[in-house]
Amino acid sequence: GDSVTQMEGPVTLSEEAFLTINCTYTATGYPSLFWYVQYPGEGLQLLLKATKADDKGSNKGFEATYRKETTSFHLEKGSVQVSDSAVYFCALSDAGGGSQGNLIFGKGTKLSVKP
Amino acid sequence: EAEVAQSPRYKITEKSQAVAFWCDPISGHATLYWYRQILGQGPELLVQFQDESVVDDSQLPKDRFSAERLKGVDSTLKIQPAELGDSAMYLCASSIGTVNTEAFFGQGTRLTVV
Repeated sequence: GDSVTQMEGPVTLSEEAFLTINCTYTATGYPSLFWYVQYPGEGLQLLLKATKADDKGSNKGFEATYRKETTSFHLEKGSVQVSDSAVYFCALSDAGGGSQGNLIFGKGTKLSVKP
Repeated sequence: EAEVAQSPRYKITEKSQAVAFWCDPISGHATLYWYRQILGQGPELLVQFQDESVVDDSQLPKDRFSAERLKGVDSTLKIQPAELGDSAMYLCASSIGTVNTEAFFGQGTRLTVV
């Protein structure tokens, strides 16, 4: 079945450092890809998405490019801030993969940014 | 801005008791999901509704869990009896459709079974 694998955390960075969180996926159909962010004690918020190969999603300085050839959707930010500290989830939605289009999540990567 | 509403935010219950969670999706969203998130893990789907119909409950432990969305709007998830292993965050989400569309999440209900 479909699955998402993302890098293990926690990731600890200093403010203004460059961030990369790796995400790869397995899907039988043509999925849409998402990054969600979860702040402590809260639900998930959509950070960005891409619906087809070579699309780049971007929001709040974060970017991710849908790479079909490497089945990847890595999250990047050029200069992180303390307020970016959260757990980041990579996810896919694949209505053509035998599911009903529901989101399949990775295990999450906790990011801590120090001042 | 429209939000997915969930209640309660926190619930502590004793094992073998019944517990229920409520979700009100964004108006006009036909698809509603219930996810369970164990601490330190990603959310996992329990049940998915399209309007009032269940379209996926393959991961729902049906011996103790039930879910309904009688009028195709708000939804209730019930656990009876609760077990210690049910302690988790229960997240409700909604979306306009099912074909690769983004889902909007509520703040979740944190359940602790003691």
